[in-house]
Amino acid sequence: NAGVTQTPKFRILKIGQSMTLQCAQDMNHNYMYWYRQDPGMGLKLIYYSVGAGITDKGEVPNGYNVSRSTTEDFPLRLELAAPSQTSVYFCASRPSPSGRWGTDTQYFGPGTRLTVL
Amino acid sequence: QQPVQSPQAVILREGEDAVINCSSSKALYSVHWYRQKHGEAPVFLMILLKGGEQKGHEKISASFNEKKQQSSLYLTASQLSYSGTYFCGTEGYALNFGKGTSLLVTP
Repeated sequence: NAGVTQTPKFRILKIGQSMTLQCAQDMNHNYMYWYRQDPGMGLKLIYYSVGAGITDKGEVPNGYNVSRSTTEDFPLRLELAAPSQTSVYFCASRPSPSGRWGTDTQYFGPGTRLTVL
Repeated sequence: QQPVQSPQAVILREGEDAVINCSSSKALYSVHWYRQKHGEAPVFLMILLKGGEQKGHEKISASFNEKKQQSSLYLTASQLSYSGTYFCGTEGYALNFGKGTSLLVTP
């Protein structure tokens, strides 16, 4: 298993450009997430998905869009990039809970480091 | 709601012990602990479940006090490899992470 993979690893964008951050997992997890992490800070949830065709906003969704057409892929789209979107972006996945919440953890991808100039 | 971690930062010498705390304002069923090294993704350490069950992959111990809605991570006889930022996460559709505790172990 490759686990959670993300591409690209690094990217520099100019203000106003757009791009898509790719995320894929091969563990057949229904739940997938996008987080951003600013320097020295914690993880903030951007969007999440509980299955193909179902997405929902997290804490900081403005400026981003997502889609989930398959179980494996969960791309994050940045429209009109702004310097405030300079951050490290992590994708994560998790199995559907078999019982109470919390008995299965989230698995993170290696991250995409994005700089907007 | 974001859990609260303390302390914010710790500096240790090799071999010393440390405790990192994670508190929540709501009742918890589980607490997840991760460690993140600089420039890398968070790596799962362990889950603490209500009732005392632990699920983990490393020789690091932790406790879960249901009454206090608090979990503590115990790092004993610290090694240089323990350095990093430790995050706790509480359950929901997505884990709610604390702001992290930075741990530096020096020779």
